[in-house]
Amino acid sequence: AQKVTQAQTEISVVEKEDVTLDCVYETRDTTYYLFWYKQPPSGELVFLIRRNSFDEQNEISGRYSWNFQKSTSSFNFTITASQVVDSAVYFCALWGPDSGAGSYQLTFGKGTKLSVIP
Amino acid sequence: KAGVTQTPRYLIKTRGQQVTLSCSPISGHRSVSWYQQTPGQGLQFLFEYFSETQRNKGNFPGRFSGRQFSNSRSEMNVSTLELGDSALYLCASSVQETNTEAFFGQGTRLTVV
Repeated sequence: AQKVTQAQTEISVVEKEDVTLDCVYETRDTTYYLFWYKQPPSGELVFLIRRNSFDEQNEISGRYSWNFQKSTSSFNFTITASQVVDSAVYFCALWGPDSGAGSYQLTFGKGTKLSVIP
Repeated sequence: KAGVTQTPRYLIKTRGQQVTLSCSPISGHRSVSWYQQTPGQGLQFLFEYFSETQRNKGNFPGRFSGRQFSNSRSEMNVSTLELGDSALYLCASSVQETNTEAFFGQGTRLTVV
């Protein structure tokens, strides 16, 4: 079965510091998609990025950047110059085939709670 | 453009009862997927519907079921509720399949007593 591990349960940083959220995944398939979502206190998950397994190009969007490395099965997320509004729980997720059911599903990591202190 | 709407927002049910949750996707979106979020298990995929057909299913017992109507609205039903079913149930919609950008609703908080 596929698996997503976010080893950092909680991280606290002071505003304007850079922070990297780690994500390691496991899958036997060669075709899959990786995602990052943000869940603010309101509870609604907000889509941040999708990356397919054939595109290892890193991406930058404003203060956000993502580093995808298939060799280490990692898809890390960096926030540069963090702000208080970045405080939220961040989830990494993997879309791919479930091992026995022949069905595809989105598997989430346990999430990393980021607190940015002013 | 209206977002994903889930109703009700909060629900309290008694063990053994059944419950139906509703999700209205963004206009034009044909895929609706459901997730259960609990402190212990985190976010878990329940199932996905596309054009009224269940396309993918997570590892949940048969007490959890769903359906999608011709207007893409979806309902999720849980029968014979157990205390462990207490959770935040999130619905997401996307234009195509789940592997594309999904927009989430605010969820339904179900408490089973």
